[in-house]
Amino acid sequence: QVQLQESGPGLVKPSETLSLTCTVSGGSISSTSYYWDWIRQPPGKGLEWIGRLSFSGSTYSNPSLKSRVTMSVDTSKNQFSLRLSSVTAADTAVYYCARHVLATDFFDCWGQGTLVTVSS
Amino acid sequence: QSALTQPPSVSGSPGQSVTISCTGSSSDVGNYNRVSWYQQPPGTAPKVIIYEVSNRPSGVPDRFSGSKSGNTASLTISGLQAEDEADYYCTSYTSSSALVFGGGTKLTVL
Repeated sequence: QVQLQESGPGLVKPSETLSLTCTVSGGSISSTSYYWDWIRQPPGKGLEWIGRLSFSGSTYSNPSLKSRVTMSVDTSKNQFSLRLSSVTAADTAVYYCARHVLATDFFDCWGQGTLVTVSS
Repeated sequence: QSALTQPPSVSGSPGQSVTISCTGSSSDVGNYNRVSWYQQPPGTAPKVIIYEVSNRPSGVPDRFSGSKSGNTASLTISGLQAEDEADYYCTSYTSSSALVFGGGTKLTVL
């Protein structure tokens, strides 16, 4: 059974870069059947799709965040990562990583989520 | 892209049925069958309950059903149970190859 686990700093200063890693266990990240996505949820608010990447490293981001988002994959560690630059308080959220079924575009497995707070 | 439109809240008594709508446009819901629904109890990660408009993953009770008409997708929960109380989100693939979520609907079981 595939499991995903987010990790990274829980506190980031304004204007700095948020960095998170998602570790995939129980399955290989190098599958042509899946994308690997990031989704966030500000406290008390709804879900926002951040972007996706494939094991080969191709990426696609939410146009509203595209200029600040960098995503990468490390197949040797079965991990993928998110970097969000120039953060503000509006980027405070629970960040989830999720497995995205390629053929049908839904998320079949989610990490537990990690809260990142942007504050000085 | 704009978020899909869901009612902020719905409610129903145990045993009743409720329907949650998810309205988009011809650039997303109306043009693709890649609509999925997620259930999120408080303090937990979302879990898929419907994919491709009306398909249920294994383990999801058949009380949950999905449908679509035009630019609006719908999730129906029949035989409401207390454990169904949660937030529900729809999502759709879009013509710009992005994914977009609905704003979410809080289901209260009275």
